[in-house]
Order: sequence, then C-alpha cells, then structure tokens
Amino acid sequence: TQLLEQSPQFLSIQEGENLTVYCNSSSVFSSLQWYRQEPGEGPVLLVTVVTGGEVKKLKRLTFQFGDARKDSSLHITAAQPGDTGLYLCAGVTYGGATNKLIFGTGTLLAVQP
Amino acid sequence: DSGVTQTPKHLITATGQRVTLRCSPRSGDLSVYWYQQSLDQGLQFLIQYYNGEERAKGNILERFSAQQFPDLHSELNLSSLELGDSALYFCASSSRTVAGNTIYFGEGSWLTVV
Repeated sequence: TQLLEQSPQFLSIQEGENLTVYCNSSSVFSSLQWYRQEPGEGPVLLVTVVTGGEVKKLKRLTFQFGDARKDSSLHITAAQPGDTGLYLCAGVTYGGATNKLIFGTGTLLAVQP
Repeated sequence: DSGVTQTPKHLITATGQRVTLRCSPRSGDLSVYWYQQSLDQGLQFLIQYYNGEERAKGNILERFSAQQFPDLHSELNLSSLELGDSALYFCASSSRTVAGNTIYFGEGSWLTVV
C-alpha cells in the first residue's frame, strides 16, 4: 500500500511567518501534486511536479519534488490569512487510463492576522 | 467552480438504509473518481471509471458500488449504511494532459448516518 505522510499535521502561525510542509513516502511516484482544500469545498490543484529535483514557484509558494521522486515539500513565504486551509499532497502513478492519485494525510494550516 | 457537479450536497439517513450520490463530470472529461473524506481516514480513493468502464479500485467496501453511464455521469451507491460511513464523498473528473492527470473535484456530498 502506498502511503504519503505529511508533517506537520497542524500548524498555527502568525501572518508574515514562513513555513514548510513535508510530504514523505517510501514509494516512487510518476509525479506529485499539491492541493488546497477550504471548508465546504473540494480540493483544488495548486501544482504538479514531475521531474526529480524540480522546483516550482507559485507567488509565495515554492514546491519541490525530491530527487528520488518519493517526497516533496511546500514552502510558504510571508503567510497570509488567505493561505489558511488544508494542504494535501498527492502521489500520481500512471497506468494508461488508470492513473491513480493517492492523497497524503494532510496539513491543516491556520494563519492568524 | 470546478465544473464537477455533485448531488445531493447534504444527506442524513438512518443506519441500514441505502443512498445514491450523483456526479456530473466536467464537460468532456472521461474519467470519474470517487473519494471518501473523513477525519480519521483522510481522503481515501474509492473507485475510478473511464468512459463507462471500471478502471481502478481503491478502499471501496463491498456494500458500496458505483457506475458510470453512457452520458458519463456517475453514481455511487452506498447500502446497509453504518455510522462509520458518515463522511464527505467527493467526485472528481479528469482529462489527460501532457503534464499528467489534472483532477477537478466537486464540492462533495455530506453524508450523515444516524
């Protein structure tokens, strides 16, 4: 069974602080995605990283895929209250039409104004 | 708005009952996925359909079943409901892109079993 462990599980910080969320697995994935989920809504895709070592930036968010494609990190610079939400990593394994998405355990982030 | 529509948004039912959750994927998407989200289990993959055919199975109980119809909408049937089936059920759809699978989630169906 493929498992994706995220840490920390919960994070409460002040506006303006920096933070890093980790996503770790013993399995290799074809790619890895990060989602943010807000209350009452479904997860929304933020980014997909495909190549080992790849770094992608989305405004104040920086995503990195591990060299071995087993782990990833999300770094938020100068967090804002609007960043509050549940952050989920998801490992993707390709199999033609049977692409499978395995979600991580989630990190609940609260940014206090 | 992701373009994925789920009904009903909320549902309260008694143990032992059966319910059907419905999903309309984004226009043109052939793949439909069902996920269950609960506090203790997180977001768990249940099942995937592709153009009407079952393509992948995850942690779906035998009491649960799903199908995808010719018009590509999908239904998730939950029977002999137990208290532990209370959860948020998400449908998602995808089209295949060069970057891989971009999956769009609906807003979910809240199921409460009492």
